[in-house]
Amino acid sequence: GQSLEQPSEVTAVEGAIVQINCTYQTSGFYGLSWYQQHDGGAPTFLSYNALDGLEETGRFSSFLSRSDSYGYLLLQELQMKDSASYFCAVRDSPSSASKIIFGSGTRLSIRP
Amino acid sequence: EAQVTQNPRYLITVTGKKLTVTCSQNMNHEYMSWYRQDPGLGLRQIYYSMNVEVTDKGDVPEGYKVSRKEKRNFPLILESPSPNQTSLYFCASGQGTGLAYSNQPQHFGDGTRLSIL
Repeated sequence: GQSLEQPSEVTAVEGAIVQINCTYQTSGFYGLSWYQQHDGGAPTFLSYNALDGLEETGRFSSFLSRSDSYGYLLLQELQMKDSASYFCAVRDSPSSASKIIFGSGTRLSIRP
Repeated sequence: EAQVTQNPRYLITVTGKKLTVTCSQNMNHEYMSWYRQDPGLGLRQIYYSMNVEVTDKGDVPEGYKVSRKEKRNFPLILESPSPNQTSLYFCASGQGTGLAYSNQPQHFGDGTRLSIL
């Protein structure tokens, strides 16, 4: 079967750095995405990695290692508003007929 | 404003009574998709559509139907709802998932909370 594994919960302190890991096992791999979802809200896109390495967007960075079937989302200078659930997602095909598989999500709690 | 609009936002209904959740996007996106979200299970894809009249099953299609007669609309149909379909549903759209658009995000609607009694 296809699966993405993430920790269910992570707690961090305001101003600190936190890393959320994602390992995947899918029939195909064509990109790893990260989404943020606040309680009661819709998922919103954060980042995308198609190739190995680090992608940086402001306080958020995302890393991918295709040989290890592994990626992570790095959040720096944590703010209280970063308290949310974070999902990794994989496309399983390069074609337009492409499933998107999500992990079960990591709930990030920020302490003052 | 670019958006994905779902209706209704909330619905309580009974087993067996057919219902439709509408989804419309105003971004001229080719790709549209339906997900259900349940506690501890994340988002699971129900159906997706690559373009008008082209749809395919996601990971959990049983008990659902979709149609894509126009590019902007992608309704989700539950012909005979059952209590195990009680969930939070999201519609999403994207420019496309071909390689050329691989870095395009999906845009999600605000969600529809369905309760089937």
